[in-house]
Amino acid sequence: DTAVSQTPKYLVTQMGNDKSIKCEQNLGHDTMYWYKQDSKKFLKIMFSYNNKELIINETVPNRFSPKSPDKAHLNLHINSLELGDSAVYFCASGREGETQYFGPGTRLLVL
Amino acid sequence: GEDVEQSLFLSVREGDSSVINCTYTDSSSTYLYWYKQEPGAGLQLLTYIFSNMDMKQDQRLTVLLNKKDKHLSLRIADTQTGDSAIYFCAERQDTGGFKTIFGAGTRLFVKA
Repeated sequence: DTAVSQTPKYLVTQMGNDKSIKCEQNLGHDTMYWYKQDSKKFLKIMFSYNNKELIINETVPNRFSPKSPDKAHLNLHINSLELGDSAVYFCASGREGETQYFGPGTRLLVL
Repeated sequence: GEDVEQSLFLSVREGDSSVINCTYTDSSSTYLYWYKQEPGAGLQLLTYIFSNMDMKQDQRLTVLLNKKDKHLSLRIADTQTGDSAIYFCAERQDTGGFKTIFGAGTRLFVKA
Protein backbone atom coordinates (compact mmCIF):
# COMPACT_ATOMS: atom_id res chain seq x y z
CA ASP A 1 0.00 0.00 0.00
CA THR A 2 3.02 2.27 -0.26
CA ALA A 3 1.93 5.54 -1.80
CA VAL A 4 5.27 6.93 -2.98
CA SER A 5 8.16 4.50 -3.12
CA GLN A 6 11.80 5.00 -3.99
CA THR A 7 14.58 2.55 -4.72
CA PRO A 8 17.20 2.10 -3.57
CA LYS A 9 16.91 3.37 -0.01
CA TYR A 10 20.69 3.61 0.29
CA LEU A 11 23.24 4.09 -2.46
CA VAL A 12 26.98 4.14 -1.89
CA THR A 13 29.14 4.64 -4.95
CA GLN A 14 32.41 6.07 -6.15
CA MET A 15 33.08 9.38 -7.84
CA GLY A 16 32.66 9.30 -11.58
CA ASN A 17 30.03 6.56 -11.61
CA ASP A 18 26.59 6.88 -13.17
CA LYS A 19 23.60 5.90 -11.05
CA SER A 20 19.81 6.00 -11.12
CA ILE A 21 17.17 6.38 -8.45
CA LYS A 22 13.66 5.17 -9.17
CA CYS A 23 10.39 6.60 -7.93
CA GLU A 24 6.89 5.26 -8.28
CA GLN A 25 3.56 6.56 -6.98
CA ASN A 26 0.26 4.71 -6.92
CA LEU A 27 -1.87 7.69 -5.93
CA GLY A 28 -2.97 8.62 -9.44
CA HIS A 29 -1.28 12.02 -9.17
CA ASP A 30 -0.34 13.90 -12.30
CA THR A 31 2.69 15.73 -10.92
CA MET A 32 5.91 14.30 -9.53
CA TYR A 33 8.94 16.03 -8.01
CA TRP A 34 12.54 15.47 -7.04
CA TYR A 35 14.05 17.26 -4.05
CA LYS A 36 17.57 17.27 -2.65
CA GLN A 37 18.15 17.52 1.09
CA ASP A 38 21.71 18.36 2.08
CA SER A 39 23.54 17.56 5.29
CA LYS A 40 22.11 20.67 6.94
CA LYS A 41 18.60 19.44 6.11
CA PHE A 42 17.90 22.20 3.60
CA LEU A 43 15.32 20.93 1.13
CA LYS A 44 15.53 22.22 -2.42
CA ILE A 45 13.37 21.36 -5.39
CA MET A 46 15.24 20.01 -8.41
CA PHE A 47 12.62 18.99 -10.96
CA SER A 48 8.89 18.78 -11.41
CA TYR A 49 7.03 16.74 -14.03
CA ASN A 50 3.38 17.09 -14.92
CA ASN A 51 1.86 14.44 -17.15
CA LYS A 52 5.31 13.40 -18.30
CA GLU A 53 6.29 16.96 -19.15
CA LEU A 54 9.04 18.89 -17.37
CA ILE A 55 7.58 22.02 -15.77
CA ILE A 56 10.18 22.99 -13.15
CA ASN A 57 13.88 22.65 -13.67
CA GLU A 58 15.85 24.44 -11.02
CA THR A 59 19.49 25.21 -11.42
CA VAL A 60 21.01 21.77 -11.17
CA PRO A 61 24.01 20.44 -13.10
CA ASN A 62 23.07 18.81 -16.38
CA ARG A 63 24.61 15.64 -15.01
CA PHE A 64 21.18 15.20 -13.40
CA SER A 65 18.44 14.12 -15.76
CA PRO A 66 14.91 13.16 -14.82
CA LYS A 67 13.08 10.60 -16.92
CA SER A 68 9.37 9.93 -16.76
CA PRO A 69 8.32 6.80 -18.68
CA ASP A 70 4.72 7.26 -17.52
CA LYS A 71 2.67 9.30 -15.07
CA ALA A 72 3.37 6.95 -12.19
CA HIS A 73 7.16 7.02 -12.48
CA LEU A 74 9.85 9.67 -12.31
CA ASN A 75 13.39 8.39 -12.25
CA LEU A 76 16.51 10.42 -11.57
CA HIS A 77 19.69 9.66 -13.45
CA ILE A 78 22.97 11.10 -12.28
CA ASN A 79 26.09 10.95 -14.44
CA SER A 80 29.70 11.40 -13.34
CA LEU A 81 28.86 11.52 -9.65
CA GLU A 82 30.76 14.03 -7.51
CA LEU A 83 31.38 14.20 -3.77
CA GLY A 84 29.00 17.14 -3.47
CA ASP A 85 26.15 15.03 -4.80
CA SER A 86 26.03 13.20 -1.47
CA ALA A 87 22.64 13.98 0.02
CA VAL A 88 19.21 12.54 0.58
CA TYR A 89 17.02 12.67 -2.51
CA PHE A 90 13.27 12.74 -2.04
CA CYS A 91 10.65 12.01 -4.62
CA ALA A 92 7.17 13.45 -4.12
CA SER A 93 3.87 13.43 -5.96
CA GLY A 94 0.67 15.43 -5.91
CA ARG A 95 -2.05 16.87 -8.10
CA GLU A 96 -0.77 20.03 -9.72
CA GLY A 97 -0.77 22.81 -7.17
CA GLU A 98 -1.92 20.61 -4.33
CA THR A 99 -0.35 18.88 -1.36
CA GLN A 100 2.72 16.81 -2.07
CA TYR A 101 3.30 13.39 -0.61
CA PHE A 102 6.89 12.36 -0.10
CA GLY A 103 8.71 9.11 -0.56
CA PRO A 104 11.02 7.73 2.14
CA GLY A 105 14.16 9.18 0.55
CA THR A 106 17.29 7.74 -1.02
CA ARG A 107 20.50 8.32 0.89
CA LEU A 108 23.29 8.79 -1.63
CA LEU A 109 26.89 8.70 -0.49
CA VAL A 110 29.62 9.38 -3.02
CA LEU A 111 33.11 8.26 -1.99
CA GLY B 1 17.84 34.83 1.52
CA GLU B 2 15.35 32.04 1.92
CA ASP B 3 11.76 32.73 0.97
CA VAL B 4 10.57 30.82 4.00
CA GLU B 5 12.31 31.35 7.32
CA GLN B 6 12.18 29.38 10.55
CA SER B 7 14.27 29.28 13.67
CA LEU B 8 16.53 26.25 13.63
CA PHE B 9 16.04 24.87 17.14
CA LEU B 10 13.39 24.56 19.82
CA SER B 11 13.66 22.67 23.10
CA VAL B 12 10.67 21.99 25.34
CA ARG B 13 9.80 19.78 28.30
CA GLU B 14 7.48 16.85 27.87
CA GLY B 15 3.92 17.95 28.55
CA ASP B 16 4.51 21.59 27.67
CA SER B 17 3.26 23.26 24.50
CA SER B 18 5.61 23.82 21.55
CA VAL B 19 5.22 26.75 19.21
CA ILE B 20 7.14 26.71 15.96
CA ASN B 21 7.13 29.91 13.95
CA CYS B 22 7.61 30.58 10.27
CA THR B 23 7.61 33.64 8.02
CA TYR B 24 7.15 33.62 4.28
CA THR B 25 7.46 36.25 1.59
CA ASP B 26 5.05 35.46 -1.24
CA SER B 27 1.76 37.24 -0.54
CA SER B 28 0.09 35.26 -3.31
CA SER B 29 0.73 31.93 -1.57
CA THR B 30 -2.53 30.01 -1.36
CA TYR B 31 -1.51 27.01 0.70
CA LEU B 32 0.86 26.79 3.64
CA TYR B 33 2.05 23.48 5.00
CA TRP B 34 3.69 21.88 7.97
CA TYR B 35 5.70 18.72 7.39
CA LYS B 36 7.39 16.53 9.99
CA GLN B 37 10.61 14.60 9.41
CA GLU B 38 11.67 12.03 11.99
CA PRO B 39 15.31 10.88 12.08
CA GLY B 40 16.20 8.84 9.03
CA ALA B 41 12.71 9.12 7.58
CA GLY B 42 10.94 10.99 4.83
CA LEU B 43 8.68 14.00 5.13
CA GLN B 44 5.21 13.45 6.50
CA LEU B 45 2.48 16.00 5.89
CA LEU B 46 1.13 17.11 9.27
CA THR B 47 -1.38 19.74 8.30
CA TYR B 48 -2.01 22.58 5.90
CA ILE B 49 -4.02 25.77 5.86
CA PHE B 50 -5.61 27.79 3.11
CA SER B 51 -4.55 31.41 2.94
CA ASN B 52 -8.13 32.61 3.58
CA MET B 53 -8.17 30.92 6.99
CA ASP B 54 -6.81 32.30 10.27
CA MET B 55 -6.70 29.12 12.25
CA LYS B 56 -6.96 25.40 11.87
CA GLN B 57 -7.06 22.88 14.69
CA ASP B 58 -6.45 19.17 14.42
CA GLN B 59 -6.26 17.30 17.74
CA ARG B 60 -3.04 18.48 19.43
CA LEU B 61 -2.04 20.68 16.50
CA THR B 62 -3.12 24.28 16.03
CA VAL B 63 -2.04 26.30 13.02
CA LEU B 64 -2.31 30.09 13.13
CA LEU B 65 -1.93 32.23 10.04
CA ASN B 66 -1.39 35.98 10.05
CA LYS B 67 -1.58 36.81 6.38
CA LYS B 68 -0.90 40.50 6.91
CA ASP B 69 2.44 39.76 8.58
CA LYS B 70 3.04 36.61 6.48
CA HIS B 71 3.50 34.65 9.68
CA LEU B 72 2.56 31.03 10.25
CA SER B 73 2.84 29.08 13.48
CA LEU B 74 2.35 25.51 14.59
CA ARG B 75 1.40 24.83 18.19
CA ILE B 76 1.73 21.31 19.55
CA ALA B 77 -0.14 20.84 22.79
CA ASP B 78 1.08 18.38 25.44
CA THR B 79 4.32 17.75 23.59
CA GLN B 80 5.56 14.16 23.79
CA THR B 81 9.03 12.67 23.24
CA GLY B 82 7.68 11.15 20.04
CA ASP B 83 7.19 14.67 18.70
CA SER B 84 10.97 15.13 18.54
CA ALA B 85 11.66 15.72 14.87
CA ILE B 86 12.36 18.41 12.31
CA TYR B 87 9.34 20.48 11.34
CA PHE B 88 9.31 22.12 7.93
CA CYS B 89 7.16 25.05 7.02
CA ALA B 90 6.37 25.32 3.30
CA GLU B 91 4.46 27.69 1.06
CA ARG B 92 2.95 26.98 -2.31
CA GLN B 93 3.79 29.68 -4.79
CA ASP B 94 1.25 29.71 -7.58
CA THR B 95 3.50 31.38 -10.10
CA GLY B 96 6.13 29.62 -12.16
CA GLY B 97 4.67 26.15 -11.98
CA PHE B 98 3.15 25.74 -8.51
CA LYS B 99 6.45 25.53 -6.74
CA THR B 100 6.53 24.57 -3.08
CA ILE B 101 9.24 26.37 -1.14
CA PHE B 102 10.44 24.86 2.13
CA GLY B 103 11.97 26.52 5.15
CA ALA B 104 15.19 25.19 6.65
CA GLY B 105 13.31 23.22 9.27
CA THR B 106 12.99 23.63 13.04
CA ARG B 107 14.58 20.90 15.13
CA LEU B 108 12.30 20.18 18.07
CA PHE B 109 13.91 18.53 21.09
CA VAL B 110 11.57 17.20 23.76
CA LYS B 111 13.09 16.59 27.19
CA ALA B 112 11.54 13.97 29.42
